[in-house]
Amino acid sequence: AQSVTQLGSHVSVSEGALVLLRCNYSSSVPPYLFWYVQYPNQGLQLLLKYTTGATLVKGINGFEAEFKKSETSFHLTKPSAHMSDAAEYFCAVTFSGNTPLVFGKGTRLSVIA
Amino acid sequence: EPEVTQTPSHQVTQMGQEVILRCVPISNHLYFYWYRQILGQKVEFLVSFYNNEISEKSEIFDDQFSVERPDGSNFTLKIRSTKLEDSAMYFCASRPQGRGTEAFFGQGTRLTVV
Repeated sequence: AQSVTQLGSHVSVSEGALVLLRCNYSSSVPPYLFWYVQYPNQGLQLLLKYTTGATLVKGINGFEAEFKKSETSFHLTKPSAHMSDAAEYFCAVTFSGNTPLVFGKGTRLSVIA
Repeated sequence: EPEVTQTPSHQVTQMGQEVILRCVPISNHLYFYWYRQILGQKVEFLVSFYNNEISEKSEIFDDQFSVERPDGSNFTLKIRSTKLEDSAMYFCASRPQGRGTEAFFGQGTRLTVV
């Protein structure tokens, strides 16, 4: 069965520092990978996605992620954290066009002034 | 911009009562989903719905749960005889046709069973 592992339930960075949120997946077939963000008391908003093609994908708010097949990873990065980035981040995967997303447990990002 | 809307935003119900959570997916989407998120935990898949029938469901989605698309626009989740452990945020999502398309989520309904 497909699964997603997010290392670190809580990551804390200083404002202006690099953000790195880790995501690994298990799959025997090519995955479609997503990062969603959840601000307090809100729904899930898509940050970025990988389907096919370029392995480095850029999303909203300056975030990007790189699909590394050899490492089965899809880590999320942002060069410089902003206070407004504080939120819960979820990595998700699906393995065909229409199967439901499987989510990781989420990583709470705190940004310290 | 089109969005998925859910009502109510918060529902409090007594244990044993039935609740219906409502969702209006994006109009040209074909795949519909319900997920739940127990406080502080991961987002869990409940059920997917396509072509007016359930296409997949998780082990969480037992006989207590049912889904309907009664009128071509609304998509509802019914929970019969609610239990305390049903307290969670319930998210509706919809997705257009096509490989790798993302799911669009509603703002969620917070269900509190007392």
